[in-house]
Amino acid sequence: EAGVTQFPSHSVIEKGQTVTLRCDPISGHDNLYWYRRVMGKEIKFLLHFVKESKQDESGMPNNRFLAERTGGTYSTLKVQPAELEDSGVYFCASSLTRTGSTEAFFGQGTRLTVV
Amino acid sequence: AQSVTQLDSHVSVSEGTPVLLRCNYSSSYSPSLFWYVQHPNKGLQLLLKYTSAATLVKGINGFEAEFKKSETSFHLTKPSAHMSDAAEYFCVVSDRGFKTIFGAGTRLFVKA
Repeated sequence: EAGVTQFPSHSVIEKGQTVTLRCDPISGHDNLYWYRRVMGKEIKFLLHFVKESKQDESGMPNNRFLAERTGGTYSTLKVQPAELEDSGVYFCASSLTRTGSTEAFFGQGTRLTVV
Repeated sequence: AQSVTQLDSHVSVSEGTPVLLRCNYSSSYSPSLFWYVQHPNKGLQLLLKYTSAATLVKGINGFEAEFKKSETSFHLTKPSAHMSDAAEYFCVVSDRGFKTIFGAGTRLFVKA
């Protein structure tokens, strides 16, 4: 069974450009989460989808970030325009039920560098 | 409100000696607690989880953790470290509101 897959694994872009990160969850997992780890900081929750609906986007830093999950399958996270402080590792996770008591499976992350 | 504190940013042990990674949490409700591990260039992998069943939880690769409510702790231990255990470890708390909070991480170094 394929795990959570994230594309690309690395991305280097210039300040002001747009970047789109993609996450393919485990098939059948309705719950999809995005997290971010800025260098030297904790892993922070960004948002949570249940199928195609945004259940909780309280962690999204600002309106330069847009997450979508059309059709309730894969998800994209777009940063437009990117700023230097957006650099970090973006993790995606999926789970069958909400992560109150069940395991979330994580992807390997996308390392974003804004120069 | 919930929070999680990993008391050591780095831990260094010799191969074959015990491992102790410390985690304290704060939660308004009965929390679920997890330990995840991240090896270089890999995703986060679940080591073990506590969800209000047995307080001593056994995980993969010989790791275990004990939930101590009186001390609000969930320390991760392993009797004998192996070189392959070198990685970064995250303590995670999740309450019934399903907010997930990560600790800052503890980097484990294993010396030959």
